Amino acid sequence: EPEVTQTPSHQVTQMGQEVILRCVPISNHLYFYWYRQILGQKVEFLVSFYNNEISEKSEIFDDQFSVERPDGSNFTLKIRSTKLEDSAMYFCAVHGPSYEQYFGPGTRLTVT
Amino acid sequence: RKEVEQDPGPFNVPEGATVAFNCTYSNSASQSFFWYRQDCRKEPKLLMSVYSSGNEDGRFTAQLNRASQYISLLIRDSKLSDSATYLCVVSPPGNTGKLIFGQGTTLQVKP
Repeated sequence: EPEVTQTPSHQVTQMGQEVILRCVPISNHLYFYWYRQILGQKVEFLVSFYNNEISEKSEIFDDQFSVERPDGSNFTLKIRSTKLEDSAMYFCAVHGPSYEQYFGPGTRLTVT
Repeated sequence: RKEVEQDPGPFNVPEGATVAFNCTYSNSASQSFFWYRQDCRKEPKLLMSVYSSGNEDGRFTAQLNRASQYISLLIRDSKLSDSATYLCVVSPPGNTGKLIFGQGTTLQVKP
């Protein structure tokens, strides 16, 4: 059973547009994470989120990115003005009982 | 030095073979260690956590050597369905839960 679902599964957008990627946990989770994976490259950490606050972010997570939990259940990643290099798979993850993380199926973002 | 380093492969093995993957990590204070499996264009899926004492789950055995900063994964009696990319994953010190991924090692099991 998946711990988390993500929508949309695929998003195509034009450069400069804003996108919002959504993550919906199946059960109650306090810790959320976003990662991205550019095609052919490794999975990279973007941001961790706990108790409605960012607890850590990477160098990739610049001012163009933001996260929030608008309604207490969904967890969103917003990219304000997309660039071609933002094209990637974006994965949401939640914590398991022992530091392991469970990943959602991902959103494939294509910026044209 | 890369934070987590793996041989990208590919490893091409026949069904039934035993194959071993290795991984090194740069931060000696890293706290937790995992092997994940990733199929093409899919999400990483947890294969197993890695403990200092070594641990086994069916055909899979993982080992951790903290002194050498080295992690291994052994797959016995390879199946066609084991074909995937195997990701070595490390949790650095601190309590943010961030995971650092290696590039992955590709395994292709052939009939």
